[in-house]
Amino acid sequence: DIVMTQSPDSLAVSLGERATINCRSSQSVLKNSNNNNYLAWYQQKPGQPPKLLIYWASTRESGVPVRFSGSGSGTDFTLTISSLQAEDVAVYYCQQYYIAPFTFGPGTKVDIK
Amino acid sequence: QIQLVQSGGEVKKPGASVKVSCKASGYSFTNYGITWVRQAPGQGLEWVGWISADNGNTRYAQKFQDRVVMTTDTSTSTAFMELRSLRSDDTAVYYCARGRGIGVVPAACLDNWGQGTLVTVSS
Repeated sequence: DIVMTQSPDSLAVSLGERATINCRSSQSVLKNSNNNNYLAWYQQKPGQPPKLLIYWASTRESGVPVRFSGSGSGTDFTLTISSLQAEDVAVYYCQQYYIAPFTFGPGTKVDIK
Repeated sequence: QIQLVQSGGEVKKPGASVKVSCKASGYSFTNYGITWVRQAPGQGLEWVGWISADNGNTRYAQKFQDRVVMTTDTSTSTAFMELRSLRSDDTAVYYCARGRGIGVVPAACLDNWGQGTLVTVSS
């Protein structure tokens, strides 16, 4: 199975400041035939299901604020919240959907400092 | 709007089975697959498996291969997940989610989620 790791486990950022979450896969999730990275990011708030933020590693889902961006390729990926808002307090998960089982990272909890 | 509405919470004894439903609306059901993900209390997300709403093809995580069955009813746009031989560590919220990939394939991001169904396994 592909093992997904995330860092840090948690972080606290001041309102308006940048938050950066890293995700690493134990093997590449880049499919050379179509040049797509099979990597998604989700946001989960307490008591709610996860919400898709980013897919193909860097494509923002419709309706997701532009302050959320994804980058990276191969095995190393980053989710950036450019200017943290109060409503961004949540746990963030990365997921590879390249090779089944389509594993998730352990999550990164984001709080306000 | 796209909605996935799941059945209500269940309490089961060890060794029993549970069947969770997921009714889809707001899109063409057979143009997508449905993925099931679970989340134990206070824990992360775990991929359980996938079913094509087009032809019923399935893909299960190996750890559930012997105990899970996923089906669909296209007449009601409903997906089902049955988990057998329940154990206490199966206690979790089970989510269904619509998969969006290149075609109807298991390799898909999950763009719409159900509200979750809490399955509690306790003697």
